Amino acid sequence: DAKTTQPTSMDCAEGRAANLPCNHSTISGNEYVYWYRQIHSQGPQYIIHGLKNNETNEMASLIITEDRKSSTLILPHATLRDTAVYYCIVKTGANNLFFGTGTRLTVIP
Amino acid sequence: DGGITQSPKYLFRKEGQNVTLSCEQNLNHDAMYWYRQDPGQGLRLIYYSQIVNDFQKGDIAEGYSVSREKKESFPLTVTSAQKNPTAFYLCASRPRDEGKNIQYFGAGTRLSVL
Repeated sequence: DAKTTQPTSMDCAEGRAANLPCNHSTISGNEYVYWYRQIHSQGPQYIIHGLKNNETNEMASLIITEDRKSSTLILPHATLRDTAVYYCIVKTGANNLFFGTGTRLTVIP
Repeated sequence: DGGITQSPKYLFRKEGQNVTLSCEQNLNHDAMYWYRQDPGQGLRLIYYSQIVNDFQKGDIAEGYSVSREKKESFPLTVTSAQKNPTAFYLCASRPRDEGKNIQYFGAGTRLSVL
């Protein structure tokens, strides 16, 4: 599984877009990019995943660069409830996920 | 209401005692997982099971044991051999869907040592 690098922490103003970057320069062709988040003292929650194309769902958008070496999770209108730790995971196959320390996003009123 | 239920929410262990954490899912998922999370850290895999009556050790299995007698249930026992059991324990499950790894998590059990 490819290693990922994320900033330790970020702030975002409420109502603005939150853009969370992730570097995965050693990603291989069949590895997916997954994003999860963990609100304090709760279990992680799946957000979105993608392989090559950009993806969007009701929670977020995922932008993957053409060379697939980095990606950005976009929360279009951040709310206070989006304050959480966000994990970027690169994985092939269907076994365990490796959750590193992620990015702690704080949404500021 | 489908989901993953972990119980209890809080658990206290005495010295030398074994304790069992419950994880039940009604999502009809094949695979189930146990993770441990220490303060400010990511999740580390303890055990996982891809099918009933089969399970595999994860990265930190020492001092823990599991069983998978039913598809819905994957209990974790923290044995007295686990010398530092204080942590947040998370159970997850995943449907059979080759190529995708979307796991669904319970609310966790916080274990402390008395």
